[in-house]
Amino acid sequence: AQSVTQPDIHITVSEGASLELRCNYSYGATPYLFWYVQSPGQGLQLLLKYFSGDTLVQGIKGFEAEFKRSQSSFNLRKPSVHWSDAAEYFCAVGRGSQGNLIFGKGTKLSVKP
Amino acid sequence: NAGVTQTPKFQVLKTGQSMTLQCAQDMNHEYMSWYRQDPGMGLRLIHYSVGAGITDQGEVPNGYNVSRSTTEDFPLRLLSAAPSQTSVYFCASSLGLAGSDTQYFGPGTRLTVL
Repeated sequence: AQSVTQPDIHITVSEGASLELRCNYSYGATPYLFWYVQSPGQGLQLLLKYFSGDTLVQGIKGFEAEFKRSQSSFNLRKPSVHWSDAAEYFCAVGRGSQGNLIFGKGTKLSVKP
Repeated sequence: NAGVTQTPKFQVLKTGQSMTLQCAQDMNHEYMSWYRQDPGMGLRLIHYSVGAGITDQGEVPNGYNVSRSTTEDFPLRLLSAAPSQTSVYFCASSLGLAGSDTQYFGPGTRLTVL
């Protein structure tokens, strides 16, 4: 069965520091991979997605993620974090034609001034 | 463009009561789904629909009922509320299947069952 693991429940970084949020997935075929962000009290918004092609994908708000098939990972990165990036981040894997999305349990990001 | 709307934003129920959470989208999306979000659990799929008249169960369907009579609306019914259904509920829609397309989420309904 497919699954998504986000090993870090909570991460705190200083404003201006770099960020990497980890995501590992389990799926037999090439997955559809997503990162969503949830600001406090809000719904989820898509940051970026990977289907095929270039393994480094760019998203909104200066985020990027790299698909590494050999490591079954899809880590999210940002070179310089802003206070407004404080939110919860969810990695998700989809099975394309199977229809459904499986979410990880999320990583909460706090940003220190 | 309203996107995905959900009502109510907050609701308190007593055990055994029933209610309907409303969800509507104005993007002409075929695919709609309901998730619940619990602390430390991420989002779990309750029910989904691939078009008007077609619904199916997700990961945690027990205690919930859905129908899809129009493309725009996808209400979620709690038949007899239980404290275990205390959660935040999100409705989402996408043009294509959720497993391969961007999902657009509503703002959520925070439900407390006493």
